[in-house]
Amino acid sequence: DIVMTQSPDSLAVSLGERATINCKSSQIILHSSNNKDYLAWYQQKPKQPPRLLIYWASTRESGVPDRFSGSGSGTDFTLTITSLQAEDVAVYYCQQYYSTPLTFGGGTKVEIK
Amino acid sequence: QLLLQESGPGLVKPSETLSLTCSVSGDSISSSRYSWGWIRQPPGKGLEWIGSIYYSGGTYYNPSPKSRVTISADTSKNQFSLKLTSVTAADTAVYYCVRHWQIPWYFDLWGRGTLVTVSS
Repeated sequence: DIVMTQSPDSLAVSLGERATINCKSSQIILHSSNNKDYLAWYQQKPKQPPRLLIYWASTRESGVPDRFSGSGSGTDFTLTITSLQAEDVAVYYCQQYYSTPLTFGGGTKVEIK
Repeated sequence: QLLLQESGPGLVKPSETLSLTCSVSGDSISSSRYSWGWIRQPPGKGLEWIGSIYYSGGTYYNPSPKSRVTISADTSKNQFSLKLTSVTAADTAVYYCVRHWQIPWYFDLWGRGTLVTVSS
């Protein structure tokens, strides 16, 4: 199984500041056939199901604000929230879809400082 | 509007079978573009993919609870289901039904989730 490790477990950021979340996979999730990284990011607000934010490591889902961006390749990935808003308070998860079983990171809780 | 709605008992006794159904509206589970699956989240913990079913009826399961899991579909009702046998307290979780593309397998649509508690 591919193990996804997120860091930090939680972080507190001031409104308007940048939040950076890291995700590391235990093996490369870049597929040579299409040169794409098989990584997605989700946002889960309290009492809500997760919401897809980003796929292919850096492609924003329709309707996702452009303050959310994904980067990285191979085994190391980053979700960045520029100019944190109050509504961004949530837990964020990464997920690999390179191989089954599909696996998620443990989550990073983002709070307002 | 495309919606996924989970239904089923909220309380299951240890050693019994957990059964949930996901009703899909606004799309057909027979569509060749998508697969349909189940993900669970124990209280206060992270997400675990349980398994998925193709439009053709083929299934993929997470090896973790694999021997206890069956996912099936009823295309006439536009529903798919989860059965998890021999449950224990460790199976207590919010269960989500989800949609993902045939390829690739990221989850673009989620149900609201239903809490299933395993307790006598």
